[in-house]
Amino acid sequence: KQEVTQIPAALSVPEGENLVLNCSFTDSAIYNLQWFRQDPGKGLTSLLLIQSSQREQTSGRLNASLDKSSGRSTLYIAASQPGDSATYLCAVAGSQGNLIFGKGTKLSVKP
Amino acid sequence: GAGVSQTPSNKVTEKGKYVELRCDPISGHTALYWYRQSLGQGPEFLIYFQGTGAADDSGLPNDRFFAVRPEGSVSTLKIQRTERGDSAVYLCASSFYRNTEAFFGQGTRLTVV
Repeated sequence: KQEVTQIPAALSVPEGENLVLNCSFTDSAIYNLQWFRQDPGKGLTSLLLIQSSQREQTSGRLNASLDKSSGRSTLYIAASQPGDSATYLCAVAGSQGNLIFGKGTKLSVKP
Repeated sequence: GAGVSQTPSNKVTEKGKYVELRCDPISGHTALYWYRQSLGQGPEFLIYFQGTGAADDSGLPNDRFFAVRPEGSVSTLKIQRTERGDSAVYLCASSFYRNTEAFFGQGTRLTVV
């Protein structure tokens, strides 16, 4: 059974810092991996999707990497801003496209 | 529509009652997923539709839960004889096809009192 773990559970950084969020999964037979952002009381916003054949994806200040063989992904956020404060969720896709999520990393960026 | 729409945004119901939650996916998206999220947890998969058919309902917790998508667009999640443990945020997502980028609605917060 696929399990997804995100470390750390919470992170507080000063504005301007670069930071890395970690995601690990137990079964390397995934179709893709997706990173989401969730603001309090809101739904999920898709940030980046990495296909299983890809190593990384970039969007603006965000860069996500995937090492399928070791079961790991990282989300790198450059020059963090207070508006980046949210919970970041990592999810891997099974054969039917259903996503298996970690519990998330709650990020707080202090001005 | 521009995004995935879920109604109602909040629902309070009494234990034992029947509820329906609606999801209107992005136009043209053939895949539709329902998830349930409890406080402090990531979303948990409930059911996946490809077109009108339920391709995978392995995440439904018991037979009180049922979902339909009769015309391959709007979906309704139905919960019978609600229990306090059903209280959670129910999220709907759609994608163009399975294993393509998933887009989520804002969720329905269900509270069973």
